[in-house]
Amino acid sequence: DSGVTQTPKHLITATGQRVTLRCSPRSGDLSVYWYQQSLDQGLQFLIHYYNGEERAKGNILERFSAQQFPDLHSELNLSSLELGDSALYFCASSGGTSGRADEQFFGPGTRLTVL
Amino acid sequence: DQQVKQNSPSLSVQEGRISILNCDYTNSMFDYFLWYKKYPAEGPTFLISISSIKDKNEDGRFTVFLNKSAKHLSLHIVPSQPGDSAVYFCASGGSYIPTFGRGTSLIVHP
Repeated sequence: DSGVTQTPKHLITATGQRVTLRCSPRSGDLSVYWYQQSLDQGLQFLIHYYNGEERAKGNILERFSAQQFPDLHSELNLSSLELGDSALYFCASSGGTSGRADEQFFGPGTRLTVL
Repeated sequence: DQQVKQNSPSLSVQEGRISILNCDYTNSMFDYFLWYKKYPAEGPTFLISISSIKDKNEDGRFTVFLNKSAKHLSLHIVPSQPGDSAVYFCASGGSYIPTFGRGTSLIVHP
């Protein structure tokens, strides 16, 4: 158990809809990262938050947004969903200093299926 | 354009032998690398890392080698065990945006 929790585990929705994925980092970790893993693809970095502030953005679509709350949990919002958004979404946390992608602890992922 | 590449999607090894997983990168500014292991239906777990100031880091059965001039790193597992069967991801980290390779699926046969 990594100490990182993600909910829900599975999500099935329709095109055009909006969903929210939730992540609680390990106790004490200030950094939260979001990744997307599509079929046969590696982990695509989406966004990094450190102590409530956005630190780095990867290939995150404009339809996607994220935030980190004062209690350090994070939410990833996906809107106007398309079939191609079907993927595994991972959250990871890290205790490293701001901006450094050191050892990360990953949650079990949320499998999103868009029909 | 992939900045971290794992060109072998799969590797099959006999139990007790050495497993060598390879990774290439293109950005010479990368200064920190990590290997993660992933079992089905679980998130990746950190395995071992190496800083660019070193060329080798060892942790038990796992050793990572870094060849900066070739922009190449490799993960050696000796001896390989059936429980090592998983997908292994190479990643850049440190002060740069984390970039993962597509992974190599290792199967260790008893």
